[in-house]
Amino acid sequence: SQKIEQNSEALNIQEGKTATLTCNYTNYSPAYLQWYRQDPGRGPVFLLLIRENEKEKRKERLKVTFDTTLKQSLFHITASQPADSATYLCALDGGNTGFQKLVFGTGTRLLVSP
Amino acid sequence: SQTIHQWPATLVQPVGSPLSLECTVEGTSNPNLYWYRQAAGRGLQLLFYSVGIGQISSEVPQNLSASRPQDRQFILSSKKLLLSDSGFYLCAWSVGRPYGYTFGSGTRLTVV
Repeated sequence: SQKIEQNSEALNIQEGKTATLTCNYTNYSPAYLQWYRQDPGRGPVFLLLIRENEKEKRKERLKVTFDTTLKQSLFHITASQPADSATYLCALDGGNTGFQKLVFGTGTRLLVSP
Repeated sequence: SQTIHQWPATLVQPVGSPLSLECTVEGTSNPNLYWYRQAAGRGLQLLFYSVGIGQISSEVPQNLSASRPQDRQFILSSKKLLLSDSGFYLCAWSVGRPYGYTFGSGTRLTVV
C-alpha cells in the first residue's frame, strides 16, 4: 500500500544550525512533492513545491531536494531560528489522475532552541 | 487577494447531534475545494473534494457528507455525530497543479 513516512520523533536543534527533515515514500510515483508548515491549532501553510524532474528547490533559508530513485525528499532550514519551531508536513501529488489530491505525511516537529 | 474562512473555530457536540461546518473562499473563482480531518498525532486524512458546484467526491466512507451549493462555499455535514468524528477539520482550496493548497484555520470538533 502507499505510504509516506516522516520521522515521528521531534527534531531538536540549536539556533543557527541547519535543520534537515526527511520524507520517504513507498508505492507512489508523485509528479510533485510539497512541504507545509503547521503551527499548533492552525491550518498548514504551503512552503515549497518541487517537481519530479527537479533535483533541488530553494526559497530564502529553505531548500528541498527530491530523489525519485531513493523515493525521498529532504527539507532543509539553514540558519534556523526559534520562530522556525513548528511541525513540517510533506505531501505528495500523484499526478496520474486528472485532479490534484494531496496525500500528507504525519509530519515532523522541529524545536529550535536559543 | 484570496482568503479562506472557516467556522466555527471550536465546537463541542453530543453524540447523535447534527453537524454543519462551513468554509468560504474569497478572491478566486472555481477553486478546487477540500475537506481534511486531522486526528491527534495523525496525518491529514482527505475526506471530500470538489471541482465545481454540486460535484462532490468522497474519499473515505463515513458518517459525514459534503455539499457545494455555491462556487466558493463548501459545507461538511453529519446527521448524527459519533465519538469517532472528533478531530481537527480543515478546509482547503487550490487552483490545481502545480500550486499548493491554502488551508483555513480549522475547526476543533469534540464529540462528547
